Amino acid sequence: QQPVQSPQAVILREGEDAVINCSSSKALYSVHWYRQKHGEAPVFLMILLKGGEQMRHEKISASFNEKKQQSSLYLTASQLSYSGTYFCGTPGGSNYKLTFGKGTLLTVNP
Amino acid sequence: SAVISQKPSRDICQRGTSLTIQCQVDSQVTMMFWYRQQPGQSLTLIATANQGSEATYESGFVIDKFPISRPNLTFSTLTVSNMSPEDSSIYLCSVRRGSGTDTQYFGPGTRLTVL
Repeated sequence: QQPVQSPQAVILREGEDAVINCSSSKALYSVHWYRQKHGEAPVFLMILLKGGEQMRHEKISASFNEKKQQSSLYLTASQLSYSGTYFCGTPGGSNYKLTFGKGTLLTVNP
Repeated sequence: SAVISQKPSRDICQRGTSLTIQCQVDSQVTMMFWYRQQPGQSLTLIATANQGSEATYESGFVIDKFPISRPNLTFSTLTVSNMSPEDSSIYLCSVRRGSGTDTQYFGPGTRLTVL
């Protein structure tokens, strides 16, 4: 089942903060976050594991609430380079294949 | 991390023809996947490429349309058969070295346009 991301899009000015949410209707054991810039492949940011601690990638951090079956990505003091589409992926099936949300388009303006 | 290359990087094909996309990884990986990403859309899993056996396809994707090979632990091919304009997409190879909590990496993608 596809995780649900919100918001669909967000526009920021450089230096502002944003939160992107990812929720699932099924129990989660991990959540994977990626960023994709236009015309490029998705790039791995971080994995949130059940029972694990909050993770960070540069000034981007994320949390994982197992009970609520959701993860949130926090972008602090955004930079122009943060622009792109953010996808969360949740594993499933015997081979832990990732199913991705529809993505959140983040635009950071000067 | 994993270094993944795909060939071709892009192609323009005629309706009714077939295209084979290659995916090469710099070292052995446990899992190889093929995704499709239509313009402005999310990443949709086509199939899991299994070494030495038939690929495992997701709902809505069939072997006759998307035959997949995986002869070893570092290489896989995806063929898009009897193409139509609806097959115009980016096709991405993705790999994972170990268990389900390991990172899954993506290749650069193949941008396919069908006329």
